[in-house]
Amino acid sequence: GENVEQHPSTLSVQEGDSAVIKCTYSDSASNYFPWYKQELGKGPQLIIDIRSNVGEKKDQRIAVTLNKTAKHFSLHITETQPEDSAVYFCAASISRSASKIIFGSGTRLSIRP
Amino acid sequence: KAGVTQTPRYLIKTRGQQVTLSCSPISGHRSVSWYQQTPGQGLQFLFEYFSETQRNKGNFPGRFSGRQFSNSRSEMNVSTLELGDSALYLCASSTPDGVENEKLFFGSGTQLSVL
Repeated sequence: GENVEQHPSTLSVQEGDSAVIKCTYSDSASNYFPWYKQELGKGPQLIIDIRSNVGEKKDQRIAVTLNKTAKHFSLHITETQPEDSAVYFCAASISRSASKIIFGSGTRLSIRP
Repeated sequence: KAGVTQTPRYLIKTRGQQVTLSCSPISGHRSVSWYQQTPGQGLQFLFEYFSETQRNKGNFPGRFSGRQFSNSRSEMNVSTLELGDSALYLCASSTPDGVENEKLFFGSGTQLSVL
């Protein structure tokens, strides 16, 4: 079955700098790649997603890139702010069903003032 | 539009007891999924319900069960609680159009502690 690996597990960056989180997946049939942000005491929130027919997607300070050949995708956050501090999860899915979404192990991002 | 509502937020139970958790999805969403989140295992899929029918089930023992009502509200039950069941239980509802029903909208979860 699908396996998603996420690195790093923790990341600390200076406010204003960029942060990059990387994920790899094993099933070449995966076609949907969402990213979730989980703040303390809350459930994960979808922040951006990308489908396999697109190589890059951007939404303000957040961007996701996908390399289907290498089977990896990355989350890029530019001009980081204190409110970006949270745990970020990548995920991969082979079908339009919640049961097929496999999550990475998460990255705890801390923004230093 | 109200988000996904889970009750209660916190529960403390002892081994051997049973527990029922409740989830109200976003209005109009007919698909509800449940996940268990632990520091060691991350987010693990429990069940998925659509129109009162269980569509998929994760790799959990039969002590974990769920159901969905005609108004799309869902409950999950864990019987004969074990210490290892201590976790954050998350409910997520999916968009109604069926084309992008993998977009998950999570509630804040129920933190279950088994003593």
